[in-house]
Amino acid sequence: QVQLQESGPGLVKPSQTLSLTCTVSGGSISSGGYYWSWIRQHPGKGLEWIGYIYYSGSTYYNPSLKSRVTISVDTSKNQFSLKLSSVTAADTAVYYCARATAIFGVVIPGVRWFDPWGQGTLVTVSS
Amino acid sequence: QSALTQPASVSGSPGQSITISCTGTSSDVGGYNYVSWYQQHPGKAPKLMIYDVSNRPSGVSNRFSGSKSGNTASLTISGLQAEDEADYYCSSYTSSSTPMVFGGGTKLTVL
Repeated sequence: QVQLQESGPGLVKPSQTLSLTCTVSGGSISSGGYYWSWIRQHPGKGLEWIGYIYYSGSTYYNPSLKSRVTISVDTSKNQFSLKLSSVTAADTAVYYCARATAIFGVVIPGVRWFDPWGQGTLVTVSS
Repeated sequence: QSALTQPASVSGSPGQSITISCTGTSSDVGGYNYVSWYQQHPGKAPKLMIYDVSNRPSGVSNRFSGSKSGNTASLTISGLQAEDEADYYCSSYTSSSTPMVFGGGTKLTVL
């Protein structure tokens, strides 16, 4: 059974870069058919898709965050990572990683569903 | 890309049935059968409840069902139980500028 676990600092200073890693266990990140995803949830708010990556390295980002987001994959460690630059208090949120089942045969690569999810990690942006 | 539209809250008594709607456009909900639903209890990660409009993952109670008509998808929970009290989110593939979109979420209260 595939499991995901987020790790990284829980406190980041404004203007710095938020860095999180998601470790995948119980399955290979290199198995095709999945996008490895980051999703966040501001306190008391809904879910916001950040972006996802295929094991080959192809990435897709939310346009509203695209200028600040980088998602990378390390297949040797079975991990993928999120970097969000120039953070502000508005980036304070619980960050989830999730596996997404890919859609094939569409013009814009997408996903059918997210499952499983990591437990989430709260990142607070504050000086 | 605007979020899919869900009611902010719904409620029902134990044993009753409730339906949560998720309204989008022909570019997302109406155009593709890639709608999924998630249940989230406080402090927990979302859990997949329905995928591809109406399919239940293994282990999800058959009290949960999904459907779609036009640009609106629906999640129905029958035989409400106290443990169903949670937030529910829909999601859909979209052919617009961002390839996927979430609904704003619905808080289900079991009276």
